[in-house]
Amino acid sequence: DAKTTQPTSMDCAEGRAANLPCNHSTISGNEYVYWYRQIHSQGPQYIIHGLKNNETNEMASLIITEDRKSSTLILPHATLRDTAVYYCIVRVAWNQGGKLIFGQGTELSVKP
Amino acid sequence: EAGVAQSPRYKIIEKRQSVAFWCNPISGHATLYWYQQILGQGPKLLIQFQNNGVVDDSQLPKDRFSAERLKGVDSTLKIQPAKLEDSAVYLCASSLALAPRLHEQYFGPGTRLTVT
Repeated sequence: DAKTTQPTSMDCAEGRAANLPCNHSTISGNEYVYWYRQIHSQGPQYIIHGLKNNETNEMASLIITEDRKSSTLILPHATLRDTAVYYCIVRVAWNQGGKLIFGQGTELSVKP
Repeated sequence: EAGVAQSPRYKIIEKRQSVAFWCNPISGHATLYWYQQILGQGPKLLIQFQNNGVVDDSQLPKDRFSAERLKGVDSTLKIQPAKLEDSAVYLCASSLALAPRLHEQYFGPGTRLTVT
């Protein structure tokens, strides 16, 4: 599975958009980009995933560059409850044997 | 729907003792995972089950860790004997492995183990 690089920490003002970058320059053509987050003292929570196209759901948007070497997770209106560690993971689909390999993640602090 | 259940939530033992953790996945989820999360690190996969068969246990320290998933539902993870470096949060996760939720893993709250 390809490795990812994320900033260790980021701050964001409440109500503003939080843009979390992720570099995955060695991603393979069949590897997806996944984002999970982990709020303190809880298990990780799935946010979103994508292969090539940009994706949006009720939680966030995922922007993947055309060369697929990097991506950005966007929380459009961050709240205090979005304070968490955000993990960017690349892997092949589960049904192709892929598994989640978590790195250090980005610790996002949303401040009032 | 009910989430992934784990017990106990906290456990303190002395080194060389044994300990067991229990996980009840979301109903209907065929795939079950155990992760170990050491403080300050991301979770690391220990073992993955598909129904009651092991798919991946390459990261499981088999000299002291064991896991089973009888009847393809609940699972237990055991450590015997425990070492100081086993202090961590042990997370259980499950997934449906069917579209449209194919890509999502659902995690339980974890069991925090402290080995003294």
